[in-house]
Amino acid sequence: KNQVEQSPQSLIILEGKNCTLQCNYTVSPFSNLRWYKQDTGRGPVSLTIMTFSENTKSNGRYTATLDADTKQSSLHITASQLSDSASYICVVSYSGGYNKLIFGAGTRLAVHP
Amino acid sequence: EAQVTQNPRYLITVTGKKLTVTCSQNMNHEYMSWYRQDPGLGLRQIYYSMNVEVTDKGDVPEGYKVSRKEKRNFPLILESPSPNQTSLYFCASSLGAGAGYEQYFGPGTRLTVT
Repeated sequence: KNQVEQSPQSLIILEGKNCTLQCNYTVSPFSNLRWYKQDTGRGPVSLTIMTFSENTKSNGRYTATLDADTKQSSLHITASQLSDSASYICVVSYSGGYNKLIFGAGTRLAVHP
Repeated sequence: EAQVTQNPRYLITVTGKKLTVTCSQNMNHEYMSWYRQDPGLGLRQIYYSMNVEVTDKGDVPEGYKVSRKEKRNFPLILESPSPNQTSLYFCASSLGAGAGYEQYFGPGTRLTVT
């Protein structure tokens, strides 16, 4: 069964600290993996996309890693800011012909001053 | 501004009263999709559309209908809403249907069915 599992479910950190969010997937055949940021009351917005051959990709203070062998991905946030408070969703696309996405339940991050 | 819009943003209704949630995109995208988001679950796809007049069921289509008469619009119709359809709904669009295309999401519609 195609699944995406994220951990932790929720996380509280202090402003300026780093954190890492985890994503494990069983989606096959794999096409790509995206991390989305979803602010409260808003739709998800893509942060990064990684294909099978990519190990690391950065977008400002966000760095995503992908290990296609173990089917794991992580999102590392450096020097967190209050505006980083959001849900972070791992989304895996599989090669099912069309843009079929499998969503994780998300990690809710709260950054406190 | 390139965007996906949804209306209404919030809706409270009663069981059995037909309703329509509109979705419109101004990016000339071919692919559009509807999702629902429930606490503790990932977004689940309700219906999708590859192009005008081409729609198909997603993972949770029961109780919903869609239509795609124009490229920019993709309304979601609940003919007889029930309380288990209380949820947060998102419309999304992408340039193409392939997995490499980024989906752009609307702001969401929070529906409560009593």
